[in-house]
Amino acid sequence: DTEVTQTPKHLVMGMTNKKSLKCEQHMGHRAMYWYKQKAKKPPELMFVYSYEKLSINESVPSRFSPECPNSSLLNLHLHALQPEDSALYLCASSQAGQGFGDQETQYFGPGTRLLVL
Amino acid sequence: AQSVTQLDSQVPVFEEAPVELRCNYSSSVSVYLFWYVQYPNQGLQLLLKYLSGSTLVKGINGFEAEFNKSQTSFHLRKPSVHISDTAEYFCAVRSTNAGKSTFGDGTTLTVKP
Repeated sequence: DTEVTQTPKHLVMGMTNKKSLKCEQHMGHRAMYWYKQKAKKPPELMFVYSYEKLSINESVPSRFSPECPNSSLLNLHLHALQPEDSALYLCASSQAGQGFGDQETQYFGPGTRLLVL
Repeated sequence: AQSVTQLDSQVPVFEEAPVELRCNYSSSVSVYLFWYVQYPNQGLQLLLKYLSGSTLVKGINGFEAEFNKSQTSFHLRKPSVHISDTAEYFCAVRSTNAGKSTFGDGTTLTVKP
């Protein structure tokens, strides 16, 4: 099973709302990632968790708050977003994230399409 | 630091014709190389990867790529494309000492009947 699941598929929220995106994998991967993708652009890395600890934060605004409650789950909490935050949010996982060959392959979920009004 | 350049932003091609999508990279360290495909309104799917060993890599859906270290290239090829290959294709590199992946800007492949 090489599946990463993400919920919800679509989300519309106002600028004062609080919402969360969820990501789940059951491949035993210990590295998980959040990416943001605008239309016709490549994914941009936001956060990396390695062994449930935040290892990379790409200077993301604090209105985005990641959480890794356990090795299978990754959340992205959203609060006071701006219209320019509208995008496809992709979750990915890899086996170790520590530079060991095939363990570096990232598996992506289908994404959550977010619209901020 | 590492960077990826996909030399063609759009590639139109007729069905059953061969196609090559070009990718060049630069990095001060050894890298792993990946090609991903993204169909409309979907996430990224791994097509193929180069980690080590044979420089010719075969992937899913009949795609293959060749790693050329001297030219720092990792071009994607398919001998005969189908309408269903119409999608966005991303080349990505990741250093062998971990860290983050760097993606190219993508190439839109449009297969015409």
